[in-house]
Amino acid sequence: SQQGEEDPQALSIQEGENATMNCSYKTSINNLQWYRQNSGRGLVHLILIRSNEREKHSGRLRVTLDTSKKSSSLLITASRAADTASYFCASQKAAGNKLTFGGGTRVLVKP
Amino acid sequence: EAQVTQNPRYLITVTGKKLTVTCSQNMNHEYMSWYRQDPGLGLRQIYYSMNVEVTDKGDVPEGYKVSRKEKRNFPLILESPSPNQTSLYFCASSIGQERGYTFGSGTRLTVV
Repeated sequence: SQQGEEDPQALSIQEGENATMNCSYKTSINNLQWYRQNSGRGLVHLILIRSNEREKHSGRLRVTLDTSKKSSSLLITASRAADTASYFCASQKAAGNKLTFGGGTRVLVKP
Repeated sequence: EAQVTQNPRYLITVTGKKLTVTCSQNMNHEYMSWYRQDPGLGLRQIYYSMNVEVTDKGDVPEGYKVSRKEKRNFPLILESPSPNQTSLYFCASSIGQERGYTFGSGTRLTVV
């Protein structure tokens, strides 16, 4: 079963704009991860945030985690056409354990 | 290059003909998983392994088998494939310790 829900399901923005997507999960977690997938290819790990962290940055990515609301957000700043992809959140109850994925957000960045 | 290698990339087969999708990683990772991705259903875990000879069922294990005889390999076996197993399959591995997973490029399976 899919634990996570992502919002929005699809997002279309102009190059240079910021893209924000949200993820909710249902049970307690050890960490939450974000992945990118380009057009049916393999997923690429972007960033991991632990349950005791509230915010994390990696390059143009900013992730927040609110465990009281069981939600996370991914912000991509100054988007580029190459950021066009589907983005998935995945929760993990214990380190190394299985990932439970959300439904994904399709992001289209128009040049 | 550190990677997860799946083979084949594409496979069309007939109902009932046993097949194996291979997965190999060269990163000495302990954790390995198989997922299937279907439109509208997202990614669902089939089986996972925490080490050699240690495997456990994921969310959708019916119709699949796995084995982990060596650390680097984690094949997915479909003993009697059926059309509802037509899907995009991904193998992934992780060192654990709150690190992300590295995914293979995927195997697109069609069962007719």
